[in-house]
Amino acid sequence: AQSVAQPEDQVNVAEGNPLTVKCTYSVSGNPYLFWYVQYPNRGLQFLLKYITGDNLVKGSYGFEAEFNKSQTSFHLKKPSALVSDSALYFCAVRDQSGGSYIPTFGRGTSLIVHP
Amino acid sequence: DAGITQSPRHKVTETGTPVTLRCHQTENHRYMYWYRQDPGHGLRLIHYSYGVKDTDKGEVSDGYSVSRSKTEDFLLTLESATSSQTSVYFCAISGPNTGELFFGEGSRLTVL
Repeated sequence: AQSVAQPEDQVNVAEGNPLTVKCTYSVSGNPYLFWYVQYPNRGLQFLLKYITGDNLVKGSYGFEAEFNKSQTSFHLKKPSALVSDSALYFCAVRDQSGGSYIPTFGRGTSLIVHP
Repeated sequence: DAGITQSPRHKVTETGTPVTLRCHQTENHRYMYWYRQDPGHGLRLIHYSYGVKDTDKGEVSDGYSVSRSKTEDFLLTLESATSSQTSVYFCAISGPNTGELFFGEGSRLTVL
């Protein structure tokens, strides 16, 4: 079975400060990990993914995520937050060895960047 | 942006009426999905398809049916809409191999 947890419903950060949105996962084998962003009244947009290789993955809009196998985490980060980063963020996981291509999504974390 | 179009984008209907939502893709991807998004529940998978006429249930499939007669179209039908089906519905398609999803803009359904 595969699962993903986003422990924070909401993250508040001041513009210009670094931001972190947390995600932990559970899979039987090795994970594919994904981050998506949803702006108000829009569909989800793919941000970045981890497949294998470098633990630090770079994605769209200056976001990056760090894969930590020992802590089963895949936290989303950005060095300097923008007000326009305010949105809903979803982490997702898919087990590479499970035979299923259906990802499991977290419940989402609302990121609010204050001017 | 991936070529995914959902229709209608907004619909208001009454309890007991049938409703069909359409998802159309121009990417020729094999896998297509229907999700619903509700406050406090995140995204929940309703049904998915892994090819023409090949579909399967997700975690919240009761009250919904789907059909895929062509690669590009995936229809979601509520046979008899209920107020609990008021939601925002998203269609998605899978990219190749690693399976990142690309989403449509959503269909907001209100059942009165």
